[in-house]
Amino acid sequence: GAVVSQHPSWVICKSGTSVKIECRSLDFQATTMFWYRQFPKQSLMLMATSNEGSKATYEQGVEKDKFLINHASLTLSTLTVTSAHPEDSSFYICSARDASLAEETQYFGPGTRLLVL
Amino acid sequence: DAKTTQPTSMDCAEGRAANLPCNHSTISGNEYVYWYRQIHSQGPQYIIHGLKNNETNEMASLIITEDRKSSTLILPHATLRDTAVYYCIVGFNKFYFGSGTKLNVKP
Repeated sequence: GAVVSQHPSWVICKSGTSVKIECRSLDFQATTMFWYRQFPKQSLMLMATSNEGSKATYEQGVEKDKFLINHASLTLSTLTVTSAHPEDSSFYICSARDASLAEETQYFGPGTRLLVL
Repeated sequence: DAKTTQPTSMDCAEGRAANLPCNHSTISGNEYVYWYRQIHSQGPQYIIHGLKNNETNEMASLIITEDRKSSTLILPHATLRDTAVYYCIVGFNKFYFGSGTKLNVKP
C-alpha cells in the first residue's frame, strides 16, 4: 500500500518551454500533496503544499508563477515548470498524505529528473 | 528550516546493528519524529515514525528519549542494501529535510 507514482521519470526540454510533471497516489486518496526539489548532493527542499480543490501554498523564495501546481482530484497533483531554464534542471519529487489517516506520514514518489538545455 | 541535527556519515559492518542518532531539541509537543531513507536517485522511503513511545516495525526500531529531544533509529541487522542517506524529520504538517546521515554498510 501507500504507493505514489510520478510521470515522467525523466524529461529533457529546451530552454523556454514548459514541462508538466504528474504525481499520483495509486492506492489511497490524498487531500494534501507536497512538491520538493533536490539538487545534486543536496537535501530535499520543500517547494509547495498542494491541497485538493484549493490553491497551493508556496515556500518562501519559490515563484508561484513559474511553478504552477494543480491538485484537481484526490489522487492527482501536477507541477508545471513554465518557461524552463537550465537552472531549473533538478530532481523533482512529490509526496502524498493519506486522507483516511490522522497521522502526517508522507509517501514519496520516485522522482522526476528534469534537464533543461 | 530543519529542526534536526544528524552526523554527516556513519559506517556499519554488514550483519551488525546500525544505530543512527538524531537531535531535535526544539521539538514541539505535537510533533512526530519521522525517519526516511533515500537510496541514490530515488524518492525517499518511509521507515518509521513515533511521538513518545519507542516503536518497532519490520524495518527498524525507533528509540525516543523521555524528554523527546533526541532519538535513535536502529537497523538490527544491516545489509549492503541499507546503504543510503537516512533523514530524521520532526514535523506536524510540512517536512523540512536536513542533511541526513550517509550510512555506509561494508562487507
